[in-house]
Order: sequence, then C-alpha cells, then structure tokens
Amino acid sequence: QVQLVESGGGVVQPGRSLRLSCAASGFTFSSYGMHWVRQAPGKGLEWVGVIWHDGSNEYYADSVKGRFTVSRDNSKNTVYLQMNSLRAEDTSVYYCARDWGNGASGAFDMWGQGILVTVSS
Amino acid sequence: DIQMTQSPSTLSASVGDRVTITCRASQSINTWLAWHQQKPGKAPKLLMYRASTLESGVPSRFSGSGSGTEFTLTISSLQPEDFATYYCQQYNSYSTGLTFGGGTKVEIK
Repeated sequence: QVQLVESGGGVVQPGRSLRLSCAASGFTFSSYGMHWVRQAPGKGLEWVGVIWHDGSNEYYADSVKGRFTVSRDNSKNTVYLQMNSLRAEDTSVYYCARDWGNGASGAFDMWGQGILVTVSS
Repeated sequence: DIQMTQSPSTLSASVGDRVTITCRASQSINTWLAWHQQKPGKAPKLLMYRASTLESGVPSRFSGSGSGTEFTLTISSLQPEDFATYYCQQYNSYSTGLTFGGGTKVEIK
C-alpha cells in the first residue's frame, strides 16, 4: 500500500525546536523528491520546502528559510523536517507530499494524512 | 513570489450543476499548474496537473484548461462527493517558490 505517515507533532514553546518525520511505504522512496506543506487552522495551503530524491538539492519558502531544514534517510524511507526557532505563526497541520519525480517537478502526486504542530507558551 | 488568486472563494451549487473555478497567476506560469481537492479534516488530493491532465482515477467530469496566467477547473455535473475545497497550485520555478491559491469552497445550495 502506497502511503506517507507523518509523526512527531505536538505542542512546543516559542523559540524551541521540533523534528517531524514522514515514513514512506509502497514505492521506491529513493526515486522521488519529497515536499513539506503546511496549513494553519482554518487557512489555506502553504508550501514549506522540498528535497531532491538523493538529498542533493533543497529549496524553502521565504517564511521558513534559515529556520527549517528538510533532510532524508533513504535507507529508512523517511523524510524529516527540522523546525528551529519556532513562532506562534508556525502553528499548522504539516503534510509531507511526494514529488511527481526526483524533486525538480514541483508537483505533488500524493499526500500524507498530516500532523498538527502547535506553538504556544 | 508568484501570487495565485482564486475566484470565487465560496460557491453554492446543487447536485448536477456545472461549476467553474478560476485561478489567476500574477505572472506567466505556462501550464505549470495543478488542482487539489480537500475535504474537511482530510489531506488534499491531486486532481489535475499540467493545467489540463487528469490524475489517474479522477472522474472525467473534472476538466481543466488555461495557460499563461488564466486557468479554470470545471466540474461538468456536480456530485455529492464533490463538495469540498479546491486549491490551485503553481509549480513554475523554485526560484520564485511554489504557491497555492486561497481556495474555493464548494458548498451545497
């Protein structure tokens, strides 16, 4: 079964860090780029960042650049989102999504179920 | 950044209606546009890519058109399972970032 499952969410204080994981199954993970997309409560979708299939390239939204890092472990079929210096406005459901290809396309053809991150004191 | 503007933000329609959603880009994105459907409490689902190519398994009542800066998503005969929020998404270039439209909520009239 082809699926993406996020984990690692929860409540975190402003200024602290959190790492999300997204475990992939049912497809050749190392062939696909992976994205993170977030959605604040009651709001629309916002792209966060992408990593190439082999980890050779990354891009980020301006709103998270310098604070968030996407990484992956192809031996574990897992992509990560390291979030540092968290702010209240980072409160969102975070989705991992599979790129159509190696990462270069920018189109997502499947999504995880999402995980909630709440930044609050 | 490339801004994506969807209209309307909310649409009330009945089962069997023909529905059209518009998405405008602040600059040309060729046909690098996707449409996603999201139901309450669920993850989005890809409907269309390259502006007019239907994702596998998506019913043929969905169609897309457009290029450059103006795009449309049409549902030819609205079904009960189609009541959801629809987002356009441009993927023209990572140098300008990937961006979504604000969404169009299709409600039951």
